[in-house]
Amino acid sequence: NAGVTQTPKFQVLKTGQSMTLQCAQDMNHEYMSWYRQDPGMGLRLIHYSVGAGITDQGEVPNGYNVSRSTTEDFPLRLLSAAPSQTSVYFCASSSTWTGYDQPQHFGDGTRLSIL
Amino acid sequence: SQQGEEDPQALSIQEGENATMNCSYKTSINNLQWYRQNSGRGLVHLILIRSNEREKHSGRLRVTLDTSKKSSSLLITASRAADTASYFCASNRGQGAQKLVFGQGTRLTINP
Repeated sequence: NAGVTQTPKFQVLKTGQSMTLQCAQDMNHEYMSWYRQDPGMGLRLIHYSVGAGITDQGEVPNGYNVSRSTTEDFPLRLLSAAPSQTSVYFCASSSTWTGYDQPQHFGDGTRLSIL
Repeated sequence: SQQGEEDPQALSIQEGENATMNCSYKTSINNLQWYRQNSGRGLVHLILIRSNEREKHSGRLRVTLDTSKKSSSLLITASRAADTASYFCASNRGQGAQKLVFGQGTRLTINP
């Protein structure tokens, strides 16, 4: 059981480049989300999705786009990379978004450096 | 902004000792969750306590919640080297259920 799979694990970009971070889950989870983790800041929510075709903004959405065409996949797009987007990005999923007691399952992260 | 504040930021103890980490939050919550993060890995869910609960146990873990003080604590008893990790609290304010707000984490080191 793979759980939540993120690719790539590491990436270096130049300022202004664009890229897509991939996230896939094989648990048929309804809810998926993206966080960024910066030193001393904990995790901050970027975007989330409560089902295929439905996405919404989190706490720090600027500079990122998401879409969810299938239940399994939730890619995160950096439109024009900036050094401030250097971070570790985590994708997470949960079986439902209406159940308050559902734990979130995390991938192992993508470590992104913007030069 | 982050709702959770964790204390201490770092904790180093000897194997076999107990480790206590604290978390404070600012607004009312539906539940509070604790996660562990090993170096270079994603977060793993440890335990969840609902707002109407005061204490919960899971193996060597004990979580308490004081909603009047807006605080929670995680106790790990009889610590092991494998418990070395960062520990995060996450509050669920019930807004869309799964929009967790994470604290900054406590880095726990267990010395053999």
